[in-house]
Amino acid sequence: EAQVTQNPRYLITVTGKKLTVTCSQNMNHEYMSWYRQDPGLGLRQIYYSMNVEVTDKGDVPEGYKVSRKEKRNFPLILESPSPNQTSLYFCASSLGRDGIYGYTFGSGTRLTVV
Amino acid sequence: DAKTTQPTSMDCAEGRAANLPCNHSTISGNEYVYWYRQIHSQGPQYIIHGLKNNETNEMASLIITEDRKSSTLILPHATLRDTAVYYCIVSPNSGNTGKLIFGQGTTLQVKP
Repeated sequence: EAQVTQNPRYLITVTGKKLTVTCSQNMNHEYMSWYRQDPGLGLRQIYYSMNVEVTDKGDVPEGYKVSRKEKRNFPLILESPSPNQTSLYFCASSLGRDGIYGYTFGSGTRLTVV
Repeated sequence: DAKTTQPTSMDCAEGRAANLPCNHSTISGNEYVYWYRQIHSQGPQYIIHGLKNNETNEMASLIITEDRKSSTLILPHATLRDTAVYYCIVSPNSGNTGKLIFGQGTTLQVKP
């Protein structure tokens, strides 16, 4: 089944403890992206990647890092999480950056930083 | 900076057609209209997209006005499982960051 898989689904962590949220797609998509969703603010893009080894900042990149060493994987790294990064995170992928075939989203990761 | 305007909420009776309007009066010639939905904090789900012609797939139909300033998503026979937030998004078909600008969307409540 074509899908975007995120792990973990739920995570509670403490301030400052480095964490990684994994994202993997099995559709050979070139384009991948991370969003966060917060009440009243909607979905906002954090980082995106046009292809392997090509990443760029979205609208809210502060406090996050990403890497794209392989086409299928696009992990989101929080080096020193803070409570304002408590949010619902979604990974998405598409055949191309224009999304002409639609974006496929993962099921989400609910992160709580205490 | 969403480029679309949608009603905040709508109700629809189960089995009836749900017609969700979207205004995108500033749409550019190379921008597509996309519809996604999000069911209770799950990942957004792609529904349909179009440029200027009406489109239909197994999930829905998309009607775009001739001037392209508005569109309507039609779910022909709404079920309870169609209860969700529906997002209308306009996006260029090339040369951008691939970012989807999600507005507040329309919360559709399908009632028995």
